[in-house]
Amino acid sequence: SQQGEEDPQALSIQEGENATMNCSYKTSINNLQWYRQNSGRGLVHLILIRSNEREKHSGRLRVTLDTSKKSSSLLITASRAADTASYFCATDDGDNQGGKLIFGQGTELSVKP
Amino acid sequence: DTGVSQDPRHKITKRGQNVTFRCDPISEHNRLYWYRQTLGQGPEFLTYFQNEAQLEKSRLLSDRFSAERPKGSFSTLEIQRTEQGDSAMYLCASSRPTQGIDEQYFGPGTRLTVT
Repeated sequence: SQQGEEDPQALSIQEGENATMNCSYKTSINNLQWYRQNSGRGLVHLILIRSNEREKHSGRLRVTLDTSKKSSSLLITASRAADTASYFCATDDGDNQGGKLIFGQGTELSVKP
Repeated sequence: DTGVSQDPRHKITKRGQNVTFRCDPISEHNRLYWYRQTLGQGPEFLTYFQNEAQLEKSRLLSDRFSAERPKGSFSTLEIQRTEQGDSAMYLCASSRPTQGIDEQYFGPGTRLTVT
C-alpha cells in the first residue's frame, strides 16, 4: 500500500519559475527521501532528510520536513526544461529495521521552455 | 558504469510463460531490493536481501514469484505462469546502510509486458 500522498499530482510551470511539491505520510519515520524519474526510466536519488532535520539544501533543491504534520515539501528553484520528470517521496518504515521504502504516487512536473 | 544494472530492459511474454530478471547491484552494497511499478503509480516494495538472506517479502509477492541472491551479489526475480496483471516495471535497488541511513540506488528497470 502507498504510504504517502503527493500534491499536486501534476504541475506545469514555465522555465525559470519555482516548483513546489508536497508529500504527506502516515506512520513514524526515520528519514524521508525524494527521487526523480524520467519517463520510462529508473529512479534517481535526489536528497535524503532525517527525521530530526527540518530543512536541507542541495543545489537548486530545498526539502523541508515537518514530522508533527507528517509532511514534506520539495522546492526546485529556477526550474529548467530538463527538470521535467515525475518526483516521488519515499519513507522508510520507522518501526522496522528493514530498509524498504514506501513511495507516494508522485507529482508529474512539466517545465515549459 | 558502476551503477545498478538490470537485464533485460524489456521483456514481452505470453500469458502462462515463465520469466526471469537479473539485477547486478553496486559492488560494495550488501542490501538489494526489488520493487514493482505500474503506470502512474509509485514503486511498491516486493522483497529485499541483506547479503544472501531474504529478510522480508511483501504480500504482493505471490507464490508465483521467487527471488534469489545466491552469493550475495547479483539477484534474480522469477515469475512463473505470468498473468496480464504482472505487466509492470520491475525495479531493483541496492544500498549499504550507514549510521541508520539506507540510501537506495535504483537500476533502470525491466519493463514486462504480458500479452
